[in-house]
Amino acid sequence: GQSLEQPSEVTAVEGAIVQINCTYQTSGFYGLSWYQQHDGGAPTFLSYNALDGLEETGRFSSFLSRSDSYGYLLLQELQMKDSASYFCAVRDKNTGRRALTFGSGTRLQVQP
Amino acid sequence: SQTIHQWPATLVQPVGSPLSLECTVEGTSNPNLYWYRQAAGRGLQLLFYSVGIGQISSEVPQNLSASRPQDRQFILSSKKLLLSDSGFYLCAWSVPGNSPLHFGNGTRLTVT
Repeated sequence: GQSLEQPSEVTAVEGAIVQINCTYQTSGFYGLSWYQQHDGGAPTFLSYNALDGLEETGRFSSFLSRSDSYGYLLLQELQMKDSASYFCAVRDKNTGRRALTFGSGTRLQVQP
Repeated sequence: SQTIHQWPATLVQPVGSPLSLECTVEGTSNPNLYWYRQAAGRGLQLLFYSVGIGQISSEVPQNLSASRPQDRQFILSSKKLLLSDSGFYLCAWSVPGNSPLHFGNGTRLTVT
């Protein structure tokens, strides 16, 4: 099986930079994904890392270190609309799973 | 473009009543389909996934079942709801392979 750990809550101010960490345990590895979910809404895909390093998409970046079983999501120039929950997720390659296992989510509160 | 429809958006059902939630996808063929459940303030729990018509994999033994009568239709059912079945039910699809999940808007189910 697999498990993911991420902080339950993070608070930051508008314009700042925030990093949301995720550590995972899985037998085999297909990459680390990140999803955003606003209150009452559906999760939406943000980014995916299959290999070590940094992937940048606008104000959001995601990093992966497979040797450390660790990744993070970096949000820059925070805006109020970034207040949401952020989930990391993995697929388990060795068991042939075709579905994602999600972490419990990190609730980000952006303050003015 | 691809779209996913999930209904109803909100549902209140008494304990012991049956359940049927429907999800349809448009604009793609042979998608992988998923049902997730999310308790308030929690992560997403995988319930079922399907890689083809009539092919259902169950992740959590419980009183729920799923069916895929057509390529782009996924149905979640229960014969008798329990209080613990309350939650936010999300349908999702993905292209087969290591690709992002695309979620529907969800159904908020309250069992009373």
